[in-house]
Amino acid sequence: QKEVEQDPGPLSVPEGAIVSLNCTYSNSAFQYFMWYRQYSRKGPELLMYTYSSGNKEDGRFTAQVDKSSKYISLFIRDSQPSDSATYLCAMPTGGGNKLTFGTGTQLKVEL
Amino acid sequence: NAGVMQNPRHLVRRRGQEARLRCSPMKGHSHVYWYRQLPEEGLKFMVYLQKENIIDESGMPKERFSAEFPKEGPSILRIQQVVRGDSAAYFCASSPNVPYEQYFGPGTRLTVT
Repeated sequence: QKEVEQDPGPLSVPEGAIVSLNCTYSNSAFQYFMWYRQYSRKGPELLMYTYSSGNKEDGRFTAQVDKSSKYISLFIRDSQPSDSATYLCAMPTGGGNKLTFGTGTQLKVEL
Repeated sequence: NAGVMQNPRHLVRRRGQEARLRCSPMKGHSHVYWYRQLPEEGLKFMVYLQKENIIDESGMPKERFSAEFPKEGPSILRIQQVVRGDSAAYFCASSPNVPYEQYFGPGTRLTVT
């Protein structure tokens, strides 16, 4: 079983839709949870990170952690074509020395 | 405030040559990480360094790969005697005192012919 699992998509939604992106993880000791956005042929960009359970909001983005289910989500409200990218979840592993990434979900927001 | 810088952005090497990838972390960041992204695969950790020290190299292949972060200058990822399977995007990340908050550079795309 992989430490971090993510549906690769692709996920296609109309402009203005609410997008839900999800990851599951296997290690209940994980405490920090990150979301990155990666445009084609670019480096990953840190969107937000959360500690432990609960929600965190930043503009149109909301990150949610459910530690009891080992499930994290990223919600994008009022999605825009500029949100079209691959979204990666990540968690510190190896004593916090590295990030383990999901394989990424490819999102396309269509006009 | 400049971000993480990597050069070259694109590198073409023939099989058997050496590849040197450079990374300058963000100002004030003392933690540097290297990751590799193979086509259709996710980002995989390779090595974590602080100035003059390798902290964790558990993701580095045992042969041909090495990394350093000298007291002065950029971090270097070195691949000796490259093979076609080394073709990938190599990303460097840096972080401030909190190691979880990693910021990535634009990557170096290595092509081995």
